[in-house]
Amino acid sequence: GAVVSQHPSRVICKSGTSVKIECRSLDFQATTMFWYRQFPKQSLMLMATSNEGSKATYEQGVEKDKFLINHASLTLSTLTVTSAHPEDSSFYICRVTSGAYNEQFFGPGTRLTVL
Amino acid sequence: GIQVEQSPPDLILQEGANSTLRCNFSDSVNNLQWFHQNPWGQLINLFYIPSGTKQNGRLSATTVATERYSLLYISSSQTTDSGVYFCAVENQAGTALIFGKGTTLSVSS
Repeated sequence: GAVVSQHPSRVICKSGTSVKIECRSLDFQATTMFWYRQFPKQSLMLMATSNEGSKATYEQGVEKDKFLINHASLTLSTLTVTSAHPEDSSFYICRVTSGAYNEQFFGPGTRLTVL
Repeated sequence: GIQVEQSPPDLILQEGANSTLRCNFSDSVNNLQWFHQNPWGQLINLFYIPSGTKQNGRLSATTVATERYSLLYISSSQTTDSGVYFCAVENQAGTALIFGKGTTLSVSS
């Protein structure tokens, strides 16, 4: 069964609105979750590292005020794309690391389309 | 930072053919994983293989850490094998998982 879930799987919104994406770890607690963005026919690019109970760590070039990350519990991290624009349209994927074996598990992804 | 290069970038096969995908990395790594991204975007773990050889059905992988490369073998390919195959490595500090650009595989019947 799925180890990591994401919601919603697909969202279409108007330019200027905000969109919240949830990532849940189903099988184990995760103090750290990672958010990636993937543009069409490109590889995954790390956006930020979400830390439970503390501020997220953002990669260079990623605006922390635009991509708000909240890691409220050991099983839930949320990514909010604020004031979305068409160039934010992308596939957003979260990643969770299994502490026992250091194996990586990815959510099914959220496809965001901003009109 | 660590550079990850995958080859070939694209591969077209007839059903039943075998193939080898390669992943080169520029520095020592903690671990290496192979993923298959299906047409719906889901990333599926294939192998967690920081070193050595593993097999799972028609797929097998070998990582030679001292020479900084890994190979993914697909035998008797099927149309359901189509998609993008990514190699990803974790740096020694454990602070980053770096992806290659992927190999896009198309298997036709």
